[in-house]
Amino acid sequence: QQQVKQSPQSLIVQKGGISIINCAYENTAFDYFPWYQQFPGKGPALLIAIRPDVSEKKEGRFTISFNKSAKQFSLHIMDSQPGDSATYFCAAMSGTSYGKLTFGQGTILTVHP
Amino acid sequence: NAGVTQTPKFRVLKTGQSMTLLCAQDMNHEYMYWYRQDPGMGLRLIHYSVGEGTTAKGEVPDGYNVSRLKKQNFLLGLESAAPSQTSVYFCASIRAGWPYEQYFGPGTRLTVT
Repeated sequence: QQQVKQSPQSLIVQKGGISIINCAYENTAFDYFPWYQQFPGKGPALLIAIRPDVSEKKEGRFTISFNKSAKQFSLHIMDSQPGDSATYFCAAMSGTSYGKLTFGQGTILTVHP
Repeated sequence: NAGVTQTPKFRVLKTGQSMTLLCAQDMNHEYMYWYRQDPGMGLRLIHYSVGEGTTAKGEVPDGYNVSRLKKQNFLLGLESAAPSQTSVYFCASIRAGWPYEQYFGPGTRLTVT
């Protein structure tokens, strides 16, 4: 049972463009929504995270937009760079679940120079 | 400070063989997790532990066993490997409580023939 659905599966963007990855969740008990970035041959690493009491969080070129009523959240990468080429995972967690994350399927981002 | 380390990095098994994957963390984290990563399926939780001597099942526990005899170590065992267990395995750990950032190891690529 996939509780977090992520799209698209792959994304190709030109350098300087905007990359947008979307996620939707079902479990209304989720109250923490992180994004992880994974480079080939490495483990995922936390990129940015949001809690549902805010609708947007920005860290540098990375922004999470959160829509609680629609149960959707998205990652925007502004001024995308070739070094951003990686696999991105959205995830969700309930604060009562011992830190267990439910991950989306992942998006392979390729930024062409 | 090595973070989360995994041993081995690669392994090839024949069907029916057994093996143990070792995860070690030096951050004094309470919670530890084992995930498997398969193309198009994201990361799926196999087992987790909320403290020394405790373990619990995740989303896909069948065919795996775990033990956490010491706080810093979390072992994942395959008693009788099957081709369906061909995957990349990641260990992760977090300190209990906010901000719930999971620190991942570099992964173990396992092939079962």
